[in-house]
Amino acid sequence: ETGVTQTPRHLVMGMTNKKSLKCEQHLGHNAMYWYKQSAKKPLELMFVYNFKEQTENNSVPSRFSPECPNSSHLFLHLHTLQPEDSALYLCASSQWAGVEETQYFGPGTRLLVL
Amino acid sequence: GEDVEQSLFLSVREGDSSVINCTYTDSSSTYLYWYKQEPGAGLQLLTYIFSNMDMKQDQRLTVLLNKKDKHLSLRIADTQTGDSAIYFCAERSNTGKLIFGQGTTLQVKP
Repeated sequence: ETGVTQTPRHLVMGMTNKKSLKCEQHLGHNAMYWYKQSAKKPLELMFVYNFKEQTENNSVPSRFSPECPNSSHLFLHLHTLQPEDSALYLCASSQWAGVEETQYFGPGTRLLVL
Repeated sequence: GEDVEQSLFLSVREGDSSVINCTYTDSSSTYLYWYKQEPGAGLQLLTYIFSNMDMKQDQRLTVLLNKKDKHLSLRIADTQTGDSAIYFCAERSNTGKLIFGQGTTLQVKP
């Protein structure tokens, strides 16, 4: 049973909509991540938060806006998306600077942009 | 640059052993991981190995690491239909980032 939950599990939105993805971790970790998984491509790291501070932004378009209000919650705000943004968005958490710093993943949000 | 490569597809018969291979480029990798992704689900951590080890066994799973050749493998003994999934190899670079391969789809035939 994963300690990382994501809502919603599925989302369909138009290009002019604004929506948010939510991630919550129950593992006591201090780092959280957003990844994008597209068909036939490796996972792409989008954002990293350590102790609520953003430490990585992998050249992600500004139509994706992350928010980390505390070490247990992570949001991804979406606006004016494009059809090529359709993908599985995965959240993960880890204990930064822990012994093995293993990342634990949520089940993902399957996003379809029409 | 950092790169992780895997073959895309493997098909085995139920009861056989499966071996999924992975190569990576970053010689400073500290940990290497295997994740499993079932249809419609997120990534589930299967096992990991520290870079100063060459083998790790966990029930039906055996991880072999050849650091000289930067080659990692995952062997699944007595493969079951429930093992059908996509398996991702990942390396943790010295910057702390996880670099994933593109995943190997394992198909287990009854």
